[in-house]
Amino acid sequence: EIVLTQSPGTLSLSPGERATLSCRASQSVSSSYLAWYQQKFGQAPRLLIYGVSSRATGIPDRFSGSGSGTDFTLTISRLEPEDFAVYYCQQYTTSPPYTFGQGTKLEIK
Amino acid sequence: VQLVESGGGLVQPGGSLRLSCVASGFTFAGYWMHWVRQAPGKGLEWVSCITPDAGTIGYADSVKGRFTISRDNAQETLYLQMNSLRADDTALYYCVKDGSHGEFDYWGQGTLVTVSS
Repeated sequence: EIVLTQSPGTLSLSPGERATLSCRASQSVSSSYLAWYQQKFGQAPRLLIYGVSSRATGIPDRFSGSGSGTDFTLTISRLEPEDFAVYYCQQYTTSPPYTFGQGTKLEIK
Repeated sequence: VQLVESGGGLVQPGGSLRLSCVASGFTFAGYWMHWVRQAPGKGLEWVSCITPDAGTIGYADSVKGRFTISRDNAQETLYLQMNSLRADDTALYYCVKDGSHGEFDYWGQGTLVTVSS
């Protein structure tokens, strides 16, 4: 089973700042099967990024993903008030289990 | 795309529940489907998956032997039969559609399962 470790656990920033969230895998994530999800309080998760760097439909271009192998990053270039939420990375390699990271809470400073 | 879960509720330890998820807005029979759960105040845990023809099924170790996933493509409905429920199964259970590349592209709003005496 691939274990995903996200850091930091909590990130405190102000609107307009740049956010960098990290996701490290216990073994290489094959074929770039790495996604990022955003979850706001009381809502279901929403797909942001798939295939490491492809934005899902309707996702603003201030969200970008990068990385390879075992180290991945979600970057939000300029934070908007609606971006403060919890973010999860996930690997979805060819066979289950499809594991998630423990999440990074992005809060307003 | 719409995914609407139902069937959650309060059940005693050792009891059973059957969750349902009615899908609409896409060709249900063409996609893998998943169940993902989230315990109160905790992160996301993948639970189970099923291929379009139900020929391949997968489970998390935490539910293997107790939960059974199934689907009815004619009724565009996904199911999760949960037996021998334990307190640590308490969670919001999401029905999730698989995307074209394996990502989880659409999520329902979830149905809450509470296991308590």
